[in-house]
Amino acid sequence: DGGITQSPKYLFRKEGQNVTLSCEQNLNHDAMYWYRQDPGQGLRLIYYSQIVNDFQKGDIAEGYSVSREKKESFPLTVTSAQKNPTAFYLCASTTYGVGSAEKLFFGSGTQLSVL
Amino acid sequence: QKEVEQNSGPLSVPEGAIASLNCTYSDRGSQSFFWYRQYSGKSPELIMFIYSNGDKEDGRFTAQLNKASQYVSLLIRDSQPSDSATYLCAVAGNNRKLIWGLGTSLGVNP
Repeated sequence: DGGITQSPKYLFRKEGQNVTLSCEQNLNHDAMYWYRQDPGQGLRLIYYSQIVNDFQKGDIAEGYSVSREKKESFPLTVTSAQKNPTAFYLCASTTYGVGSAEKLFFGSGTQLSVL
Repeated sequence: QKEVEQNSGPLSVPEGAIASLNCTYSDRGSQSFFWYRQYSGKSPELIMFIYSNGDKEDGRFTAQLNKASQYVSLLIRDSQPSDSATYLCAVAGNNRKLIWGLGTSLGVNP
């Protein structure tokens, strides 16, 4: 079955530690996105990538980094510079076509907490 | 600043009733409108999208768009307890960047 796989489901970060969240899709989608969701807040865009080897900052990119070496994969690293990383992280993808770019398919999410 | 606003709720309706969820947006250039459903602790799932003024029906769901008044709504007919979730409104302009509302929490009581 096609879909988006995020791992791990739960992740704990120690102070000063970098952690990487995995996102893999087999939908052959061009674009991939990382969002952060905090309780009572809407989805906030961290980074997005429209093609391999290219990505753009979203609204809250500080303290995060990404790579897009393969079409299927878009890992997110939460660095030690991100002082408030506790949140639900969502990876999404979409393909480009008339009217289809905004139809996002989401992975199951990763809940990141600070120890 | 482009904004999308939704009543946070919670909205409570009895089983079998019609649930009406509303969303207003500030950017008159918005072209695409989406409703996502998100169960607690789960990821959002696209349930409806609409591009043109008027109504669009899909099963028990109807999306309504009024660009002149800058609002989009979602009606859920014959509401079921399984419809209890948070409903997120998202709007995109010609740059295709999605602007998200904070969501409306819906509870359907048996």
